[in-house]
Amino acid sequence: DGGITQSPKYLFRKEGQNVTLSCEQNLNHDAMYWYRQDPGQGLRLIYYSQIVNDFQKGDIAEGYSVSREKKESFPLTVTSAQKNPTAFYLCASSTIGPQETQYFGPGTRLLVL
Amino acid sequence: QKEVEQNSGPLSVPEGAIASLNCTYSDRGSQSFFWYRQYSGKSPELIMFIYSNGDKEDGRFTAQLNKASQYVSLLIRDSQPSDSATYLCAVNIRGTYKYIFGTGTRLKVLA
Repeated sequence: DGGITQSPKYLFRKEGQNVTLSCEQNLNHDAMYWYRQDPGQGLRLIYYSQIVNDFQKGDIAEGYSVSREKKESFPLTVTSAQKNPTAFYLCASSTIGPQETQYFGPGTRLLVL
Repeated sequence: QKEVEQNSGPLSVPEGAIASLNCTYSDRGSQSFFWYRQYSGKSPELIMFIYSNGDKEDGRFTAQLNKASQYVSLLIRDSQPSDSATYLCAVNIRGTYKYIFGTGTRLKVLA
């Protein structure tokens, strides 16, 4: 059963704490992405990766970090430097090519205690 | 500034009617165009993609692309209450791996 999985579904962060959101795909997609969605707003790109061991900052990378050690996995760490982390975090993946299409995982909702 | 613009709505249509959702984009380098449906509290679900000028039909959905006018639309025929959701327009810029999303149009189908 192919797809993108994200865990956990809900995550609670205390002040000053780093938390890591998991994203795994078995679609054999080369590119993976992290977006943040705030209520009533569009998706904002945090980081993206086209190949293993390489990634690029998106529009709102400050306070976040990523790694891409395996093609299937692209975890996102929300660091204590991110002062307003409460949001819906979406992981996506796509093929690379002239007709690439992006698909999303189910999302992780991060809340600050 | 690369932008994708959508009317936020809500767009209200009666059950069985045609819903027409519109999207304009500013970057002429845009090469691929996507429509996603997002139910409240859920992640976006891809419903249509279009790469060439003209119409593309898939069931009750038709995507229309006009690159000269930088305009892409989504028509939903025989609208159902289950179609009530936010519809996100997205474009992919040629030569990049980035997708630019609009803020979405909220559709309400009234039973």
